[in-house]
Amino acid sequence: GAGVSQSPSNKVTEKGKDVELRCDPISGHTALYWYRQSLGQGLEFLIYFQGNSAPDKSGLPSDRFSAERTGGSVSTLTIQRTQQEDSAVYLCASSLRGGHGELFFGEGSRLTVL
Amino acid sequence: AQKVTQAQTEISVVEKEDVTLDCVYETRDTTYYLFWYKQPPSGELVFLIRRNSFDEQNEISGRYSWNFQKSTSSFNFTITASQVVDSAVYFCALIYGQNFVFGPGTRLSVLP
Repeated sequence: GAGVSQSPSNKVTEKGKDVELRCDPISGHTALYWYRQSLGQGLEFLIYFQGNSAPDKSGLPSDRFSAERTGGSVSTLTIQRTQQEDSAVYLCASSLRGGHGELFFGEGSRLTVL
Repeated sequence: AQKVTQAQTEISVVEKEDVTLDCVYETRDTTYYLFWYKQPPSGELVFLIRRNSFDEQNEISGRYSWNFQKSTSSFNFTITASQVVDSAVYFCALIYGQNFVFGPGTRLSVLP
C-alpha cells in the first residue's frame, strides 16, 4: 500500500489475554518504530527496528511486551497477559532509512483492556 | 538527557487569528534534527517539517512558519490566519540517535 497499514484498528480484550498488533510499513522502508499513546498523552517509544540489526528494545515497558519483524517488512507487537494499563493507541511508523529521516505513521491500533 | 517540552497543553483561538506553538528542547548532541508533526482528530500523525541543527534560517510554508533559535533551544511553530481545519494536536520532536523523542503535544482548537 501507499502508507503504513496497521491492524486491527480497534481491539477490545479481557485482562489476562494476549494480543497481537500488526504493522505493514511502506515498501522499501528499512526502519520501523512502535510507539504507544495513552489517552491525551504524548508518544512513548517502545521499540525500533533498522534493517537486519538487532532491534532497540529499550522502550518496552515490561517483559510482557515483545515485537518481531519478519523479512525486514511486517512487524508484530505482542502483549502477553494484558493489563488495564496497557489500554492505549499503539502507533507504528516507518522511515526510509532511520536516522534523521521523517517518520510516516499508521493510523494506530486502539487497544482497550477490560 | 534528551527532552522536548511543549508548555502549552491546550490553546483555543478564533478563526483567522495567528497562533504560535512553543517547543523547547534539550540535547547534548551538536548535530540533531527537530520535527513538527500534526495529529488531526482522525489520529494519523502527519509530518510537517524537519530542521537540522546547522540551519537556523526560518522557514515559511504557506500559512505555516517556523522559528528555530539555537541560543534559546527553541523551535516554535506559527500558524497565520488559522482555520478550523488546523484544529489538531501538534507534536514537536527531537531525533536522538536513531530514536525520536516527542514532546507531550499541544492541542489547538480553532473556533469558527
